[in-house]
Formats: sequence, C-alpha cells, structure tokens
Amino acid sequence: DVKVTQSSRYLVKRTGEKVFLECVQDMDHENMFWYRQDPGLGLRLIYFSYDVKMKEKGDIPEGYSVSREKKERFSLILESASTNQTSMYLCASSESRDVQFFGPGTRLTVL
Amino acid sequence: AQSVTQLDSQVPVFEEAPVELRCNYSSSVSVYLFWYVQYPNQGLQLLLKYLSGSTLVKGINGFEAEFNKSQTSFHLRKPSVHISDTAEYFCAVSVPSLQKLVFGTGTRLLVSP
Repeated sequence: DVKVTQSSRYLVKRTGEKVFLECVQDMDHENMFWYRQDPGLGLRLIYFSYDVKMKEKGDIPEGYSVSREKKERFSLILESASTNQTSMYLCASSESRDVQFFGPGTRLTVL
Repeated sequence: AQSVTQLDSQVPVFEEAPVELRCNYSSSVSVYLFWYVQYPNQGLQLLLKYLSGSTLVKGINGFEAEFNKSQTSFHLRKPSVHISDTAEYFCAVSVPSLQKLVFGTGTRLLVSP
C-alpha cells in the first residue's frame, strides 16, 4: 500500500512565523502535490512537483513556497504565516497521470 | 480550463436508502474522472475512476458511477447506504496530458438510522 505521511496532524502558529509542513511518500512516486482544503471551496492546488528540485505553481501559490530536495519528500513553506492561511493542508503523490494518494492532512491554525 | 460542479453541498439520507451524488464537469478536451471520499479527520481515499472504456465504473464499498459524455456528468450512486458511508465526497477531473486534478467543492453525505 502507498503511504503518504505528513509531519503533524495539528499545528498552531503565530502570525509572522515561518512554518514548515513536511510530506513523505514511500512509493518512489515522481509527482507530489500540496493542496489546501477549506469548507465550501473543496481542494485547491498550491504547488506541485514532478521531479526532484522541480516545482510548478498551482492555482493559489501566493504566500507559499515549496522544496523538493529528495524524491520522497516535499515540503510546503509559509514564509510569514497569516491568519488567512488557517486551513487543512493535504499532501498527495502519484506515479502516473491519474490516481493521487493522499496523506492524512495537517490542520494549521494561525493566531 | 477544466471545472467541476457538485451542486449538492449536503445530502441527508436514511440508512439502507439509495443515494445519488451529482457531479458535472466542463472541459474542451477529454478528461479522466474520479470520485474520492474523505472520512472525518482523514485524508482523501479513491473510490473509483474513469479513464476510458465502459462508462459504468464500479468502485469500493458498493459505489458505482456512470460517465455520460453528452451530459458531461459523472454521478455517483449506491443502492443501499450504511451509517459508515457518512463522509464527504469529492468529484475530480484531470486532463490526460497533465498531472493536475481539479476538484469540486464536495458533497457531505449524512446517513441517519
């Protein structure tokens, strides 16, 4: 079974802090994705990566950056957290261009 | 660009009743179609997918969906729901040449005794 793990299930940070969300997959997948999930808005793509050190902007990249130094790890970085970044963050990975496998999510609260 | 519409934000149903969750999409090119389920406090799990071939697709937990190209729909159905089916259901599309998924806003299925 594919396993996608995220470093924290719940995280509370203060406005202006730098926040790192980590995602690790164990299936040697090429593609990795970061989404945020908000009520009534579904999932929105922040960034994705199709190879080590490669990244592509998704639909809502503003205020975020990413890092992929190793194939199995994809990090989402909030350079200066703001209250409007309070959300559920979901990481996913895929090999082919169809099924994505999701992690359990990190619920981030920015105070 | 592709888009997905899930018109029903919430669907209440009694246990053992049939259910249909609606999904319509918009795309100028052929797409792949997916249904994912999210149980409380968990990530998303694939229910079923349509890539090509038979338009009736069977998934896990007794769910099925039918791809209707003329109506650009991919509705999810189950003939008899259980309490344990209470969850949020997301429809998604992708273009075969791209890696990205576009999700609908989700439908919360509430099954009561």
